[in-house]
Amino acid sequence: DVVMTQSPLSLAVTLGQAASISCTSSRGLVYEDGHTYLHWFQQRPGQSPRRLIYKVSDRDSGVPDRFNGSGSGTDFTLTISRVEAEDVGIYYCMQGSHLPPTFGQGTKVEIK
Amino acid sequence: QAQLMESGGGVVQPGGSLRLSCAASGFTFSHHAFHWVRRAPGKGLEWVAVISHDGRGDFRAASVRGRFSISRDNSKNELYLQMSSLRTDDSAIYYCARDFSIFYYNIDLWGRGTTVTVSS
Repeated sequence: DVVMTQSPLSLAVTLGQAASISCTSSRGLVYEDGHTYLHWFQQRPGQSPRRLIYKVSDRDSGVPDRFNGSGSGTDFTLTISRVEAEDVGIYYCMQGSHLPPTFGQGTKVEIK
Repeated sequence: QAQLMESGGGVVQPGGSLRLSCAASGFTFSHHAFHWVRRAPGKGLEWVAVISHDGRGDFRAASVRGRFSISRDNSKNELYLQMSSLRTDDSAIYYCARDFSIFYYNIDLWGRGTTVTVSS
């Protein structure tokens, strides 16, 4: 199985400051169709996961533009440019290029 | 508005069985593949199973193979997870999630989840 390793696992951020979460895969994530199926999900407390970013850097409809995804190969990053109170939660990367799909351990984002 | 709603969770003894359901609305159910993903207490997300849009193909995680089966009824817009020989480490919130393919994965919609507790 492809192992997805996130860091840090916990992040305390001042409101308005930037935050970055790293996700590293144990294998390259380019699928045979040329796309890289690396996605980011947010899970707020008491809620179900919500996709923020798909295929590395495409932002979902309704997701604020302060959320950005980047990366290639085996190294990927989710950046929140100016953290707001509603961003508190756990963030997961997920690879969908290899069976089984696998998730990172999750990064808990809190406000300082 | 596209929606997924799970049901069927509850408390069951080790070795017991349970069937989860997921009702879909607001989109064409038969066009999509679906997953079950779970989150155990204090842990992260774990993929469980995926089924193709027509129900002819499916894959399951090694941890549930031989114990869980995934199925669907496109006439009812429903997805199912039949769980048997349940173990305490199967305790989790179970989510159904929408996708397009069973060969590469790009989940775009999640249900609210249903809680399964395996305990004596």
